[in-house]
Amino acid sequence: EVQLVQSGAEVKKPGESLMISCQGSGYNFFRYWIAWVRQMPGKGLEWMGIIYPDDSETKYSPSFEGLVTFSADKSINTAYLQWNSLKASDTATYYCARPDYSGSSRFDLWGQGTQVTVSS
Amino acid sequence: QSVLTQPASVSGSPGQSITISCTGASRDIGSYNLVSWYQQHPGKAPKLLIYELTERPSGVPDRFSGSKSGNTASLTISGLQPEDEATYHCCSYAPGRPFVVFGGGTKLTV
Repeated sequence: EVQLVQSGAEVKKPGESLMISCQGSGYNFFRYWIAWVRQMPGKGLEWMGIIYPDDSETKYSPSFEGLVTFSADKSINTAYLQWNSLKASDTATYYCARPDYSGSSRFDLWGQGTQVTVSS
Repeated sequence: QSVLTQPASVSGSPGQSITISCTGASRDIGSYNLVSWYQQHPGKAPKLLIYELTERPSGVPDRFSGSKSGNTASLTISGLQPEDEATYHCCSYAPGRPFVVFGGGTKLTV
């Protein structure tokens, strides 16, 4: 089965670090970009950026550049989203999704989402 | 604030048709037919409904259709069914960064 499976929900305190993951299966993971999409509570979707697992090339939305880091390990078909110092405003559900090319608005495969709660 | 503007909510009765608008700019929706629509039920991941403005992935009923006029894209759902009650998000290619932009989402009540 072609799928993206994300890591489980996280509860963290402000200032803590966090890495969440997205593992692909059923297709050549390293040949497709992986996008990260944020959905804050009760809000719409926001494109954070993309990573190409084969060479770890990244493209960030200006809104997220410097605030998060994308990485990937193609040997285990996994992409990662990392924060060094979380803020309460990072509370959201984060999805990984597969576009058919880097600038594509067509995301045909989605992970189930990882809920991140940041609270003191 | 989202780059693409959608109405917050729309409603319709079973069997009726509704249209959800998505207004962008000449640099994105106005210049490219690279618009997608996603359906999201509560607590679930988005699901691709329409891509490249009018194309449907296999398995998506032909009750769902996409169109565009100027800088505004539209999603039309005909023959509304109770299971269509969900939030609908539009998405477009936008040259330069951030490359891809979303609307704020429209909650459909059936």
